[in-house]
Amino acid sequence: KAGVTQTPRYLIKTRGQQVTLSCSPISGHRSVSWYQQTPGQGLQFLFEYFSETQRNKGNFPGRFSGRQFSNSRSEMNVSTLELGDSALYLCASSLVGASSFSDEQFFGPGTRLTVL
Amino acid sequence: AQSVTQLDSHVSVSEGTPVLLRCNYSSSYSPSLFWYVQHPNKGLQLLLKYTSAATLVKGINGFEAEFKKSETSFHLTKPSAHMSDAAEYFCVVSDGFQKLVFGTGTRLLVSP
Repeated sequence: KAGVTQTPRYLIKTRGQQVTLSCSPISGHRSVSWYQQTPGQGLQFLFEYFSETQRNKGNFPGRFSGRQFSNSRSEMNVSTLELGDSALYLCASSLVGASSFSDEQFFGPGTRLTVL
Repeated sequence: AQSVTQLDSHVSVSEGTPVLLRCNYSSSYSPSLFWYVQHPNKGLQLLLKYTSAATLVKGINGFEAEFKKSETSFHLTKPSAHMSDAAEYFCVVSDGFQKLVFGTGTRLLVSP
């Protein structure tokens, strides 16, 4: 079974630009979560999607947004990039139901975003 | 709110010696706790998880962890370190709503 895939793996942008990151979950997984990893703040939860709906959200500004498609693939968008957005963005998928939550999340390799 | 505290930012051991990575948690209810490992330029891999079935949890690659409610601890151990164990380890608590709360990480260094 293929794991969680993320594209692209590396990305370089300049301040003010916007960026879209993509995540394909494990087949059959309908929940996709996003995390940001930086040396200063560590790993922080961004948001989680299930059946194309955002169910949970972390404490990030509105510049960070996401969506999920009917095939469970998810995208994350960051607008008006700032230097502090440079980070490793990790996507995780899990096998859950509509009204249930699973603790076991399977992570992709991440997208390394550098903002210049 | 749930939180975890990893007591050591770095731990150095020699190959073949025991590993102990310390984690304390704070939770208003019976928590779900995990240990994840991250190798350089790789994603996070689940080592083991505690979900109240048994206090001693066995994971992959010879790692295990013991849940101690009285001490609010969930320390990770391995009897004998291998060079391939060198990585960053994260203690994690779940808030029950698909949100994982990560500790600050412990970098394990293994010398020959």
